[in-house]
Amino acid sequence: KNEVEQSPQNLTAQEGEFITINCSYSVGISALHWLQQHPGGGIVSLFMLSSGKKKHGRLIATINIQEKHSSLHITASHPRDSAVYICAVRKSGNQFYFGTGTSLTVIP
Amino acid sequence: EPEVTQTPSHQVTQMGQEVILRCVPISNHLYFYWYRQILGQKVEFLVSFYNNEISEKSEIFDDQFSVERPDGSNFTLKIRSTKLEDSAMYFCASSEEGYAAKNIQYFGAGTRLSVL
Repeated sequence: KNEVEQSPQNLTAQEGEFITINCSYSVGISALHWLQQHPGGGIVSLFMLSSGKKKHGRLIATINIQEKHSSLHITASHPRDSAVYICAVRKSGNQFYFGTGTSLTVIP
Repeated sequence: EPEVTQTPSHQVTQMGQEVILRCVPISNHLYFYWYRQILGQKVEFLVSFYNNEISEKSEIFDDQFSVERPDGSNFTLKIRSTKLEDSAMYFCASSEEGYAAKNIQYFGAGTRLSVL
């Protein structure tokens, strides 16, 4: 059983499109992270959320604690956004549970 | 910009051998983590470490694994007797604080462990 579910698993978009990646979780959490994993394997933290909404450049992350759901949006997508986007939740203490990731390909 | 560094980038070992994966966290960070990612699978939490002791560990982190902060800068993951199924990418991460508000984790580039 996966504590964290992401959708879609794979996503292909045309450059400039608005993209949404969803994350649902089944456990009580203290924080949710969105991570970006590049084709070479490196992982970068994008956001950490415990409530509401955060924005950084073209990226927007929202979380609804009551519905146990978070979304990551990318506005004006670009080929360099192509990566795997991973949702991870912090359940208690310092233990994290990861989603399987959404593989995004943005076509020029 | 400060970063988490991991060495080596690729480690090849024979089954049954001991390996030590090394990480240098960001200097003012207090919380340290190890994760692994088996090829094609999701990232899995192994262990978190604070104040020179393990604060959380997953079911994966059995007696074959140990972590240590031998000096003020390095954070190591040791696998005592490697198995084929230990082949994975191992990521180290660190964060300034451990509670939610300041738990942004910074990841190293990873060490790919190949057990033959």
